Amino acid sequence: EVQLVESGGGLVQPGGSVRLSCAASGFTFSNHWMNWVRQAPGKGLEWVANIKQDGSERYYMDSVKGRFTISRDNAKNSLYLQMNSLRVEDTAVYHCTRGNAHEIWGQGTLVTVSS
Amino acid sequence: DIQMTQSPSSLSASVGDRVTITCRASQGINNYLAWFQQKPGKAPKSLIHAASSLQSGVPSKFSGSGSGTDFTLTISSLQPEDFATYYCQQYESYPLTFGPGTKVDVK
Repeated sequence: EVQLVESGGGLVQPGGSVRLSCAASGFTFSNHWMNWVRQAPGKGLEWVANIKQDGSERYYMDSVKGRFTISRDNAKNSLYLQMNSLRVEDTAVYHCTRGNAHEIWGQGTLVTVSS
Repeated sequence: DIQMTQSPSSLSASVGDRVTITCRASQGINNYLAWFQQKPGKAPKSLIHAASSLQSGVPSKFSGSGSGTDFTLTISSLQPEDFATYYCQQYESYPLTFGPGTKVDVK
């Protein structure tokens, strides 16, 4: 079964850091671009970042540039999002997705930034 | 950045209705357009990619069309499981951008 499972979310204070992980299974992870997409409570979907198959290209939305870093470990079939200098407005469910058309979604992990 | 708009923002429909949702891009995106369905408390589900290609396992009652800046998602005969919020997204250029969503609820 093709599956993406996120982990690592939780409550973090403004200015803090958290690292999200996404474990992929059921497909050849190294063949696909991978993304992080977030959804703030009660709001729409917002693309955050993506990374090429070999990690040689990475793209970010403007508001997270310099604060978030996307990475991957193809040997471990895993995608990561290192989130630093977190702000209240980063509060959201973070989904990992496969491909730039997001054909596969994980269930998401909630990051709450609050004091 | 490419801005995506959707109309209507919400609609009320009955089982069996034909429903059409429109998505417009602020500039041409060729056919790099995807559609998603999201039910409350669940992750989005991919329906269509490349504007009109149905994802594997998605029923044929869903169809997409369009190219350039104007796109549509059509549900040919609405069923109870189709009441949800629908989003479009362009993947022609960065940043990838989603439309604001169209909520389909029961009339």
